[in-house]
Amino acid sequence: DAGVIQSPRHEVTEMGQEVTLRCKPISGHDYLFWYRQTMMRGLELLIYFNNNVPIDDSGMPEDRFSAKMPNASFSTLKIQPSEPRDSAVYFCASSSTSGGGETQYFGPGTRLLVL
Amino acid sequence: GDSVTQMEGPVTLSEEAFLTINCTYTATGYPSLFWYVQYPGEGLQLLLKATKADDKGSNKGFEATYRKETTSFHLEKGSVQVSDSAVYFCALSDRGGSEKLVFGKGTKLTVNP
Repeated sequence: DAGVIQSPRHEVTEMGQEVTLRCKPISGHDYLFWYRQTMMRGLELLIYFNNNVPIDDSGMPEDRFSAKMPNASFSTLKIQPSEPRDSAVYFCASSSTSGGGETQYFGPGTRLLVL
Repeated sequence: GDSVTQMEGPVTLSEEAFLTINCTYTATGYPSLFWYVQYPGEGLQLLLKATKADDKGSNKGFEATYRKETTSFHLEKGSVQVSDSAVYFCALSDRGGSEKLVFGKGTKLTVNP
């Protein structure tokens, strides 16, 4: 089992540029979550999907952030335009309702630095 | 809304010391409770969980008991190792079924040899 795969692992960009983060969930999982982690704010849920449909995007900080899940094996989180305060580690996680569910499996994260 | 409160760190212990990290929660209904661990440079991984009152979750020598009367889920380990150095997160899932998790702020543990 490859686990949740995220790319890139590290991203350095300049303010104003578009940033796209990618996630491949564990095969067969029907939930996908995007989190952001910073020292100041801790771990924040940005948005989550069930069967590719966004269920709750109330954690998305502002219109500069958007997320899509075109199919069960791929999701993107886009920031346009990026700002220095977006610098953080972004995690993707997935889970499955079959077999009881509840456990979320996290990817290794993407470390984003906006200069 | 639902919330989780963890003891603030950082916590520094010597090897073989006893560990307790306090966690209390506020929730409507009957949440499932979790402890996740994050090793340096990695994502979070499930350490243990409990789905109903009085359940005890355990893994790798760590334990936590779901206490409904005190709304607590404290993490304990009898003898910590250097390899336990990590950040520990308490969390709850209010539906107990792959819905979103509400995390505490995390507690950083450092174990010295």
